[in-house]
Formats: sequence, structure tokens, C-alpha cells
Amino acid sequence: GAVVSQHPSRVICKSGTSVKIECRSLDFQATTMFWYRQFPKQSLMLMATSNEGSKATYEQGVEKDKFLINHASLTLSTLTVTSAHPEDSSFYICSATSAQETQYFGPGTRLLVL
Amino acid sequence: QKEVEQDPGPLSVPEGAIVSLNCTYSNSAFQYFMWYRQYSRKGPELLMYTYSSGNKEDGRFTAQVDKSSKYISLFIRDSQPSDSATYLCAMSVVAGGGNKLTFGTGTQLKVEL
Repeated sequence: GAVVSQHPSRVICKSGTSVKIECRSLDFQATTMFWYRQFPKQSLMLMATSNEGSKATYEQGVEKDKFLINHASLTLSTLTVTSAHPEDSSFYICSATSAQETQYFGPGTRLLVL
Repeated sequence: QKEVEQDPGPLSVPEGAIVSLNCTYSNSAFQYFMWYRQYSRKGPELLMYTYSSGNKEDGRFTAQVDKSSKYISLFIRDSQPSDSATYLCAMSVVAGGGNKLTFGTGTQLKVEL
């Protein structure tokens, strides 16, 4: 149980375009989903926390207008990187939880902005 | 000072060795402790979850927590090449998956034949 999927697994886009990443909980209802980014050989940095049906809470230093998060249902959250630039290239990972003890992570999405 | 400190490695051991991975933390409010394994270009996978001082064992893995010293460890017995991955410690103040996790930087482990 506790399977979380992400789509796409990798994406390459041109600078200035927007990219949408989906995170789905496949076998449970996720009341809360988290979005992280991870640079090479560094740990996961929390970007935002989203609860179903409400606005996401962003960590300090994360631009909410650049990283749009939508948690429209108990099994789906999306992260849209708007007007992407090369410095946005990173590994984006979501996690999901319900009333469980901890978070279950998706496989990650590798974004490369050219 | 980071809230959670973890030696990034890399740590290289021969197959069959006992591996010891460690994290220290500065925030005494942390009460819940986790170890995740992350293979290259994959998401983290939960290995162990503990909330009290002492040891917790699961197969070849043992998690140890010493709250008085603010020190946690993960031991891997009879290490296998398939254990080669990055191991991340994580901790939280409050129980429940809906609460913020603070991660260490991860220790890269390589188990060699």
C-alpha cells in the first residue's frame, strides 16, 4: 500500500515556458501533499504544503506565483512551474499522507530547462 | 548551524559488513525520527520510523535513538550491494504524516562485492 506516483518522470522544456507536474496517491486518500525540490547531492528542501481544497502554504523563499500548487482532490496535486528558467532545473518530489504516521514519496520528476 | 547534521559520505564497505549511519540534531523538540533510502534518481522510501529512545529492529535494519544526546543511528547488518543508496534521516516535532519533516543531507553508501 501507500503508493504515490508522479508524472512526468522527466521533462525538458525551453526557458520561459510553463511545466505541470502531477502527483497522485494511488491507493489512499491524501489529505495533505508536500512538494520538495532536491539539487544534486543535497537533501530534500520543502517547497510547500497543500491540503485538499485549500490554498498551499509555501516555505520562506519559495515564490508562490512561480510555483503554482493545486490540490483539487484527495488523490491529486499539481505543481506548475511558470516561466521556467535554467535555475529551476532540479528534481521535484512530492509526498502524500493521510492519517498515517509519515509521508510516502513519489518517484520524482527531473526538470531540465534549456 | 543546520537543525540536522548528517555526514554526506560517500561510505564504502565490503559486502557483509555492518554499516552504521548517523545523524545529530539540535532541536530538542524533535520527537519522531525516520530513515529513508533513496536510490539514484528515485524518490525516498521509508525504512524505519521511531518515536522513543532505544532500539527498533526490522530485519537487517536497526534504528537507534538517543534523545539525551540528540543522536540517531541506523545499522544495517549483512550489507548487500543492493543496499547501495543514499540514506536520509528525517525528523519531526509532531506525530502524523501531515507535519513538516526536516531532513539530513543524506549519506551515500556503496556496498562492494
